Amino acid sequence: QQQVKQSPQSLIVQKGGISIINCAYENTAFDYFPWYQQFPGKGPALLIAIRPDVSEKKEGRFTISFNKSAKQFSLHIMDSQPGDSATYFCAASTMGAQKLVFGQGTRLTINP
Amino acid sequence: GAGVSQTPSNKVTEKGKYVELRCDPISGHTALYWYRQSLGQGPEFLIYFQGTGAADDSGLPNDRFFAVRPEGSVSTLKIQRTERGDSAVYLCASSLTGRLNYGYTFGSGTRLTVV
Repeated sequence: QQQVKQSPQSLIVQKGGISIINCAYENTAFDYFPWYQQFPGKGPALLIAIRPDVSEKKEGRFTISFNKSAKQFSLHIMDSQPGDSATYFCAASTMGAQKLVFGQGTRLTINP
Repeated sequence: GAGVSQTPSNKVTEKGKYVELRCDPISGHTALYWYRQSLGQGPEFLIYFQGTGAADDSGLPNDRFFAVRPEGSVSTLKIQRTERGDSAVYLCASSLTGRLNYGYTFGSGTRLTVV
């Protein structure tokens, strides 16, 4: 059962542009929504996370937007840089479950 | 150590063989997780340890998979009678308290290839 659907599968953005990756979830019990960044040959690294009591969270160039009624959340990368080129995963969990359900991933390429 | 260490980084084995994958978590981290990442997919949960005990093993696909953490630090994922479908990157992660909002720290994984 695919509980977290992520789109697009791949994305190409010009340097300085805005990268937007979307996720939708099914389980209304989810209450923790992190984004992970993964470089080739490395494990995923936590980028930013949000709880459903807020609609937006910003950390530097990275922003999560959260729409509880639509069961959707998205990652925005402002002023995208070539060093942001990586695979991004959204995930979801309930805080009590201690396990994450990941989306399928988005391969982001930032062209210089 | 400074990060989560997984050994070996690559493992090629023949179908039907037994393999062990090792994870050294960050010192002092009580929670340890195993995930499996197939090519082009997101990680899938396998098992979660809090201390020495498996608090949640609901993600283990079948009884060929088993994991231990006897002293509450190093963990070993064991796969018996390997199948070609077991080929994937096996990721280990640890966290200080097991509370998700502190985030996991993942290792770089062990790439298992069953031929």
